[in-house]
Amino acid sequence: SQQGEEDPQALSIQEGENATMNCSYKTSINNLQWYRQNSGRGLVHLILIRSNEREKHSGRLRVTLDTSKKSSSLLITASRAADTASYFCATNRGSTLGRLYFGRGTQLTVWP
Amino acid sequence: GAVVSQHPSWVICKSGTSVKIECRSLDFQATTMFWYRQFPKQSLMLMATSNEGSKATYEQGVEKDKFLINHASLTLSTLTVTSAHPEDSSFYICSARDPSGSSYEQYFGPGTRLTVT
Repeated sequence: SQQGEEDPQALSIQEGENATMNCSYKTSINNLQWYRQNSGRGLVHLILIRSNEREKHSGRLRVTLDTSKKSSSLLITASRAADTASYFCATNRGSTLGRLYFGRGTQLTVWP
Repeated sequence: GAVVSQHPSWVICKSGTSVKIECRSLDFQATTMFWYRQFPKQSLMLMATSNEGSKATYEQGVEKDKFLINHASLTLSTLTVTSAHPEDSSFYICSARDPSGSSYEQYFGPGTRLTVT
């Protein structure tokens, strides 16, 4: 079953603008990960935030985690057309066995 | 980073036949691999955990007799879709954990698109 929801389900912006995607989950977690998927391709790992962290940065990516609200956000700053892809959050539901449960994803389109 | 490959990248088969999809870790040994399926414009759904040397663990609602998983070696897991039907048409993606890295590090294959006619 799906772990949670991302919103918005689709986001369309102009190059240079910031893109914010949100993810909610239902169970306890050890960490939350964000992945990117180009159309018809596999997934690329973007960033992992642990349950005891509140914010993490990687290049133009900024991830926040609020465990009290069971939610996370992914911010892409100064977006580029090449950022066009689907973005998914995934959690392990507190397990260390490696199973990942994905949210529904946000389809981001960045117009040049 | 570590690389995971899948073969074939796409396959078309007739209803009632079986199809085997391979997932390989190219530069590391993976005791655990995972299989997901993804319908168009939807998310990835975990199907099963493939364990080297033991039986796969299936998620609730996944038919183990229909989706046969064999983790024959530390670098290869196979998913066989038996007696395929059009509703099995989907994008199948595998992932593998690199035990030498972070316990949370997982690498995804490029996916296999299955079309059942």
